[in-house]
Amino acid sequence: KAGVTQTPRYLIKTRGQQVTLSCSPISGHRSVSWYQQTPGQGLQFLFEYFSETQRNKGNFPGRFSGRQFSNSRSEMNVSTLELGDSALYLCASSFRTSRETQYFGPGTRLLVL
Amino acid sequence: ELKVEQNPLFLSMQEGKNYTIYCNYSTTSDRLYWYRQDPGKSLESLFVLLSNGAVKQEGRLMASLDTKARLSTLHITAAVHDLSATYFCAVDEVKGGSEKLVFGKGTKLTVNP
Repeated sequence: KAGVTQTPRYLIKTRGQQVTLSCSPISGHRSVSWYQQTPGQGLQFLFEYFSETQRNKGNFPGRFSGRQFSNSRSEMNVSTLELGDSALYLCASSFRTSRETQYFGPGTRLLVL
Repeated sequence: ELKVEQNPLFLSMQEGKNYTIYCNYSTTSDRLYWYRQDPGKSLESLFVLLSNGAVKQEGRLMASLDTKARLSTLHITAAVHDLSATYFCAVDEVKGGSEKLVFGKGTKLTVNP
């Protein structure tokens, strides 16, 4: 069974730009969660999607948004990028809910210059 | 707000030795997870602990949960170099109808020959 895939793996953007990251969950998994990992703040929950609906949301500004498609693939978007948005963005999928074991993708490393 | 504290944050040990990583959390939760992250890689699920007194073992790693003390431990027996990685604990926070995983800062384990 293929694992969670994320694209792109690496991205360089400049301040003020926007970015879209993509995540394809494990086949059959319907819950997709996004996390931001930075050296200073560690791993922080962004949001969770299930059946195309945002089910849970972390404490991030509205510049961070996401969506999920009918095939459970998910995208997250960050608008008006700031230097502090440089991070590893991890996507995780689980069968029905994030309270089950989550399987993480390899991440997208975003550098904002 | 739920706080998750791990200690130590850095651990350097010799092969063959035993050690314990501690994970304390500040409010009641019914679910605790341990993850492993190798440098430059994503997170790999190690254990899910669901109840007070739960103990799980996989190879040289054993995790336990004491919900009354709000404490989980990850015990390493006879460490080998392959165990070098960063270990995270994470706790479910359920608040106001929403749920999210809250991670500790991680313990970077280095096993020296």
